[in-house]
Amino acid sequence: AQKVTQAQTEISVVEKEDVTLDCVYETRDTTYYLFWYKQPPSGELVFLIRRNSFDEQNEISGRYSWNFQKSTSSFNFTITASQVVDSAVYFCALSEDPNYGQNFVFGPGTRLSVLP
Amino acid sequence: EAQVTQNPRYLITVTGKKLTVTCSQNMNHEYMSWYRQDPGLGLRQIYYSMNVEVTDKGDVPEGYKVSRKEKRNFPLILESPSPNQTSLYFCASSPPAALLGSYNEQFFGPGTRLTVL
Repeated sequence: AQKVTQAQTEISVVEKEDVTLDCVYETRDTTYYLFWYKQPPSGELVFLIRRNSFDEQNEISGRYSWNFQKSTSSFNFTITASQVVDSAVYFCALSEDPNYGQNFVFGPGTRLSVLP
Repeated sequence: EAQVTQNPRYLITVTGKKLTVTCSQNMNHEYMSWYRQDPGLGLRQIYYSMNVEVTDKGDVPEGYKVSRKEKRNFPLILESPSPNQTSLYFCASSPPAALLGSYNEQFFGPGTRLTVL
């Protein structure tokens, strides 16, 4: 069965610090897709990234970067030079179906607080 | 504006009183899903739909029904709500995988906060 673990329930950092959110997943499939979502205090869900299991290249988008390591079944998310606006709950998710269909599993989330 | 809308946004009801939460998307997406979000559990998939008249169960379908008679609408029906269905519900839609890249979105609705007394 699929499972996503986000061991960090809550993290607090001071603005401009770098922070890494951990995500460890379990799946028996060789083809799967990993995601990160952001849920700011306003409650909406914001899609950040989608990666497939065949592409282990690290990804960078502005202050955000993602480190995908199949050897450790991890898909960690790093925010560089954090800002107050980064305060949110972040969810890692896993799916064996690229169409967001069956078995789309979210982790429990990590609440990030960035203090001014 | 491309969006997923849900109604109502907030609902307080009583045990056993049938209710429907509507979901509509204006992006002509084939794929739609319903999730519930509970503290410490993240989001769990209730039902999903690959296209019109094609629906299937997610991880927590008990107590819920859905229908997909039109591409744009995917209502969530609680025939006899119970207090354990008190939760935050999200509807989502997405285009086919072939059109998805690393940063292409799965669009979520704003959420419906349901309280069953």
